[in-house]
Amino acid sequence: SQQGEEDPQALSIQEGENATMNCSYKTSINNLQWYRQNSGRGLVHLILIRSNEREKHSGRLRVTLDTSKKSSSLLITASRAADTASYFCATVDNYGQNFVFGPGTRLSVLP
Amino acid sequence: ETGVTQTPRHLVMGMTNKKSLKCEQHLGHNAMYWYKQSAKKPLELMFVYNFKEQTENNSVPSRFSPECPNSSHLFLHLHTLQPEDSALYLCASSPQAGGHYNEQFFGPGTRLTVL
Repeated sequence: SQQGEEDPQALSIQEGENATMNCSYKTSINNLQWYRQNSGRGLVHLILIRSNEREKHSGRLRVTLDTSKKSSSLLITASRAADTASYFCATVDNYGQNFVFGPGTRLSVLP
Repeated sequence: ETGVTQTPRHLVMGMTNKKSLKCEQHLGHNAMYWYKQSAKKPLELMFVYNFKEQTENNSVPSRFSPECPNSSHLFLHLHTLQPEDSALYLCASSPQAGGHYNEQFFGPGTRLTVL
């Protein structure tokens, strides 16, 4: 079964609104990473949060991690049309092995 | 630009052809990865190389054959593929495999179509 699973599978919002995507996982992790993928392109690393961290910020991105619930969320504030992409979470286990991606959330930001 | 390049970007091949995908990274990393991304499926890790040694093979069929001549180059040799092998093949690199902060840097991918 998958380690990371994002929800929703697809999200459509208006420009300027905030977008929140969630990731749940099953086993203990060392860190969790969020990636972005524009259609048919490679993935771009956005942010890494370690298991002993609860929140991280990077520009308009805010990531939270709740290890007790085995979940993470990615918040994009003041979204732009250019944020339209698929967003994936990836988990790394405690041994630094098993880098596993979830199925992704496809975000559409409408102008 | 992530520092990881892949060629070709698009490839169409018949089931009896032999072709190779190439990946090159200019980041000084020691680990390289091949992923397969099919429509509506999560990324599937295929192979991992760490310091030129294959450390992971996720039950990939033998019609896919990886080669890592040095830490900067990674190839995926393809032969007698099936139509279901059509997908986006992504290469990635990281400072090393198995590290605890192993952010991966991805190439743009090769879109493979098997007829």
